[in-house]
Amino acid sequence: EVQLLESGGGLVQPGGSLRLSCVVSGFTFSSYDMSWVRQAPGKGLEWVSTVSGYGEITNYADSVKGRFTISRDSSKNTLYLQMSGLRAEDTAVYYCAKGGMDGTIPDYWGQGTLVTVSS
Amino acid sequence: DIQMTQSPSTLSASVGDRVTITCRASQSISRWLVWYQQKPGKAPKLLIYKASNLESGVPSRFSGSGSGTEFTLTISSLQPDDFATYYCQQYNSYSSWTFGQGTKVEIK
Repeated sequence: EVQLLESGGGLVQPGGSLRLSCVVSGFTFSSYDMSWVRQAPGKGLEWVSTVSGYGEITNYADSVKGRFTISRDSSKNTLYLQMSGLRAEDTAVYYCAKGGMDGTIPDYWGQGTLVTVSS
Repeated sequence: DIQMTQSPSTLSASVGDRVTITCRASQSISRWLVWYQQKPGKAPKLLIYKASNLESGVPSRFSGSGSGTEFTLTISSLQPDDFATYYCQQYNSYSSWTFGQGTKVEIK
């Protein structure tokens, strides 16, 4: 059974940092790109970032470029999103998802973790 | 970046109605399109992949069609469980993901 389990969300002040994790099981982690997608309260889905299977290629939305860093650890089957310089507009549920720029069908998503940026 | 334009943004319908949602891409994406259903507080659920392939376990009243820049999701006979928000997404290789704005299907 495929599972993606995010953690690390919470309340953070503007300008602060947070690291999200996504532990994956049920498929060969290093064989697929992995992505982060977010959804602000009451809004639609927004792609945030993608990392290639071995972590050598990363891609970011303009809205987070220079502030967020995506990475992965195949020994732990874990995807990360290091977020810094957080802004109120980064408040959202963050989902990890299987796939990215490799053409993989984005068939599996985590349950999401809520990040709230507020003073 | 490839832009996805989804319409309508809201749709009011009754149980048993046939419902169609449209998604347009700003450039050709061949058939690299998926459709999701999302309910409040839940992750998106995959319904259709490669524009017209029904995901395992999804009821056959859902269908997808199209290629290139024009795509549709059809629900042949709307059921009470289908009231939700629907999103299209392109997943073209070598291009970052982009999503339609969403279509909320409401009870008429």
